[in-house]
Formats: sequence, C-alpha cells, structure tokens
Amino acid sequence: AQKITQTQPGMFVQEKEAVTLDCTYDTSDQSYGLFWYKQPSSGEMIFLIYQGSYDEQNATEGRYSLNFQKARKSANLVISASQLGDSAMYFCAMREPSNTGFQKLVFGTGTRLLVSP
Amino acid sequence: DTGVSQDPRHKITKRGQNVTFRCDPISEHNRLYWYRQTLGQGPEFLTYFQNEAQLEKSRLLSDRFSAERPKGSFSTLEIQRTEQGDSAMYLCASTERDAAYEQYFGPGTRLTVT
Repeated sequence: AQKITQTQPGMFVQEKEAVTLDCTYDTSDQSYGLFWYKQPSSGEMIFLIYQGSYDEQNATEGRYSLNFQKARKSANLVISASQLGDSAMYFCAMREPSNTGFQKLVFGTGTRLLVSP
Repeated sequence: DTGVSQDPRHKITKRGQNVTFRCDPISEHNRLYWYRQTLGQGPEFLTYFQNEAQLEKSRLLSDRFSAERPKGSFSTLEIQRTEQGDSAMYLCASTERDAAYEQYFGPGTRLTVT
C-alpha cells in the first residue's frame, strides 16, 4: 500500500523568504501521481500542484514548485517569496489505484507553516 | 460560488444520535468522494461515487455509516448511533474525471460527539 511521510510537524519562515516542505513516499507502482494541498484554518483543502511519475520536468505553479526526485522517492514543495497568507497546513498526497479504476488520494500527516512578518 | 458546498458546517450531537451531512459537488463533476479527517491527521478516504453508483468503500466505513448519491448530483453521509470516536471533519470532494486531475474539496462538516 502507498504511504506518504511528512516529517516536519511545523515550519517557520519569514515573509519574502523561500521555504521547502518535505514529502517522501512509498509505492511499488510505476505510474502514480503526487499532489500538494493547502488547508487554511477554515478547513477547505486547496489544490496547489501536481506531479506525475512520468513527468520529466518538475511541476511549477506560480510561487509553488515541486522538487521531484524519483530515485529518492521524494516530492518536496518549495514556496518562494512567502506571504503571510501562506500560513496554513500543507498536505502531500499520492494517488492510489484501485480495482474499480478510480484512484483515491492517500495523505500524509501534514506540515504546519507559519509565516512571520 | 460554484465550488463544492457542504452542510452543515458544524454539528454537535450526543452519543447515540444519528446525523446526516450533505455535499453538493461542482455541477459538471460526476465523481464524488468522502473523506474523514481527525485532529492532527490528513484526510482518510471513506467512499467514492461515480454518478449515482457507489463504487468504493473503505473499511473505515463501518455499518453505522451509509452514503448515497441518489440522482448523481448531491450526496449524503449518514452516521447512525454516533460514538465519540466519530468526532472529526468530514470532507467532500469532486472531480470531473479520473483523479489524475485534482479533486476539489468542500469546506467540510465538523462533527463533535459529546
């Protein structure tokens, strides 16, 4: 079964600096997808970025980039130029295949990011 | 607002009572998911619908839990004879196609069982 590990319970960063949130994964599948979601205190999960296992380029979405190292099974999220509004929980997730063809998400335990002025 | 909506946002109930939550997905999305998130954890998959068919259920979904999506649009999640361990955030998500595309989440229903 797939497993996602986020070893940083909390991270602190100053406004305008970059921060890296770690994520490692375990899977025996060759084809898989990795996601990062942001969860502010309001509770809604907000999609940030997606990386497919066969994608040759690291994914980027605005200030978010995913540092994908397939051999090390890591998919770290890099947030550049942090903003106060980036303070939230961040979850790494993996797409897990199933017998019926749909693919559910398996989440890590999350990292709480606090951005200070 | 055309995002995923959930109702109620908060529910406090006494142990042993039944509760029902509702999820309205994005209108053109035919795939709908329910997740449960306990404190300090990431969301855990509960069940999946494609249109009105419930195709997947996690073993987390005990026989006290039932979910429906009668017309392939909104979905309900019912918990019978609630227990304190059911206290959690219940999240609904929808997607237009295979989960190769991002799932859009609703704001969740926070359940507290006293």
